[in-house]
Amino acid sequence: NAGVTQTPKFRVLKTGQSMTLLCAQDMNHEYMYWYRQDPGMGLRLIHYSVGEGTTAKGEVPDGYNVSRLKKQNFLLGLESAAPSQTSVYFCASSSRTGRRHYGYTFGSGTRLTVV
Amino acid sequence: GDSVTQMEGPVTLSEEAFLTINCTYTATGYPSLFWYVQYPGEGLQLLLKATKADDKGSNKGFEATYRKETTSFHLEKGSVQVSDSAVYFCALSEANFGNEKLTFGTGTRLTIIP
Repeated sequence: NAGVTQTPKFRVLKTGQSMTLLCAQDMNHEYMYWYRQDPGMGLRLIHYSVGEGTTAKGEVPDGYNVSRLKKQNFLLGLESAAPSQTSVYFCASSSRTGRRHYGYTFGSGTRLTVV
Repeated sequence: GDSVTQMEGPVTLSEEAFLTINCTYTATGYPSLFWYVQYPGEGLQLLLKATKADDKGSNKGFEATYRKETTSFHLEKGSVQVSDSAVYFCALSEANFGNEKLTFGTGTRLTIIP
């Protein structure tokens, strides 16, 4: 099925450990995003990419790094996990025609717990 | 900057009741507006969208009209079902080249009781 695939779906880390979340999309979308979702705070943008080889900071980038070496993949890295990074992480991709944005396609999420 | 303000939840309704979830926005340009729905344990799905003033988005019995004069995009459904229980997010995207980000509201949790 076409769409956005996130791996892993669940993960428990110890404080200080590192990990990489993988996002893959097969819709040839130019734009990709990483969000975190926390209770009562909605979705907050961590980093995003407007094309292969590009990345940019979002609203809450500290403690995270990203890479977009291939158009279809967008990786989110945690170098030294902290309990404050316990959250549900969503990847999304999008496209645009002219000046109008046509919304995101989301992955099913990664639930990360840092103990 | 851009912002989206949604009706505070949670909202609990009986089956077949009329639903309104309010959404207002602040934007500098001419944004596209969206409603997303998140069912338990799942990611967000696009429910409907409107890309210019006075457009009406509709899907699965839900409707929302882009009102530029009141900067609003309220979600409505005439008769809700138990299966509509979910969290609903209003969002906007500025129609500017190079600005591809969506700004989300905090979400409204809807529970429908039989």
